[in-house]
Amino acid sequence: EAQVTQNPRYLITVTGKKLTVTCSQNMNHEYMSWYRQDPGLGLRQIYYSMNVEVTDKGDVPEGYKVSRKEKRNFPLILESPSPNQTSLYFCASSLSLPDTQYFGPGTRLTVL
Amino acid sequence: GESVGLHLPTLSVQEGDNSIINCAYSNSASDYFIWYKQESGKGPQFIIDIRSNMDKRQGQRVTVLLNKTVKHLSLQIAATQPGDSAVYFCAEYNFNKFYFGSGTKLNVKP
Repeated sequence: EAQVTQNPRYLITVTGKKLTVTCSQNMNHEYMSWYRQDPGLGLRQIYYSMNVEVTDKGDVPEGYKVSRKEKRNFPLILESPSPNQTSLYFCASSLSLPDTQYFGPGTRLTVL
Repeated sequence: GESVGLHLPTLSVQEGDNSIINCAYSNSASDYFIWYKQESGKGPQFIIDIRSNMDKRQGQRVTVLLNKTVKHLSLQIAATQPGDSAVYFCAEYNFNKFYFGSGTKLNVKP
């Protein structure tokens, strides 16, 4: 089944404790992206990747890192999480640009 | 940054009626637009898209209209069903990035 998977789905952590949210797609898509969703603000793009080893900032990259060492994986790294990063995070992928994005199920992160 | 907005945050319609959800975008250089549906607890799901060289595109029970003159996008859902109840987002694409609106919640009354 073609899909985008994210892990974990739910995470509660404390300020400053490094964490990684994994994202994987099995559709051989070139473009991958991370978004955060907050009430009243819709989805905002954090980082995106055009292909392996090619990443770039979205609208809200501060406090986040990403890497794209393999085509299928695009992890989101929070080196020192803060409470303002409490949000719902979505990973998405598309075959190329511009094209339909397929979204993962989301990761709900709470930073205390 | 980009500004993709919606005229109404909540829309209530009667089952069987047609629904129209509107979206305004700010960048006239955007060349690709998408509508997504998001059900509670799930990720956004693609509904329909349209490229800037088109004015209208139809899918199954859905139609997207693009008015580039006033930078306006709309989603029409025919014969709205209870399963259409969700939050709907428009998104625009520009220079490798996607910009989403804040969403409209569609309530379908039986």
